[in-house]
Amino acid sequence: QVQLQESGPGLVKPSGTLSLTCTVSGGSISSSNWWSWVRQPPGKGLEWIGEIYHIGSTNYNPSLKSRVTISVDKSKNQFSLKLSSVTAADTAVYYCATSVVPTHFDYWGQGTLVTVSS
Amino acid sequence: IQLTQSPSSLSASVGDRVTITCRASQGISSYLAWYQKKPGKAPKLLIYAASTLQSGVPSRFSGSGSGTDFTLTISSLQPEDFATYYCQQLNRYPRLFTFGPGTKVDIK
Repeated sequence: QVQLQESGPGLVKPSGTLSLTCTVSGGSISSSNWWSWVRQPPGKGLEWIGEIYHIGSTNYNPSLKSRVTISVDKSKNQFSLKLSSVTAADTAVYYCATSVVPTHFDYWGQGTLVTVSS
Repeated sequence: IQLTQSPSSLSASVGDRVTITCRASQGISSYLAWYQKKPGKAPKLLIYAASTLQSGVPSRFSGSGSGTDFTLTISSLQPEDFATYYCQQLNRYPRLFTFGPGTKVDIK
């Protein structure tokens, strides 16, 4: 069973870059999964950020595309998120997620809270 | 494609039948999923492909619909079901996931 674990700084300064990593265990990141990032700002709903396939193909939410980069490190069985030029509006719990069937998400990390503040 | 959910919140009692609606701004394929979200927990997949129950999810949860209108039904609400429920759709080309705004189910 695939398990996902997010890691990264919990505090990022405004205008800085948010960087998170998701470590995959119980499965290979080179399997036929798309690997996604989803976030939830405090008191708000879920927002899909983007996804990557192990060969490097990516898809991003158009609302964030200019600031987002998702990459994969097959040697570490990890994928990562970088979100640039952050503001307080980017404060959220960030989840990594995946599924064998690439139409929904049945495996989720526990989530990590990232606060944007000086 | 935008998703709307109704109601945005509801109060119900244990044993009640609860129905939540998700409406798409245009016709979508059956790539419609439902999640349960509790505070401090990751979303939990309940239903995918509009009506397929995820393994391990109690049979009191069911999904239906096609085109633009989809529903999640809880046949007999249990104490552990008080949560926020989200629908999610996939636009295949280009790939883009969208979540509905959520429906909060709390105790009457």
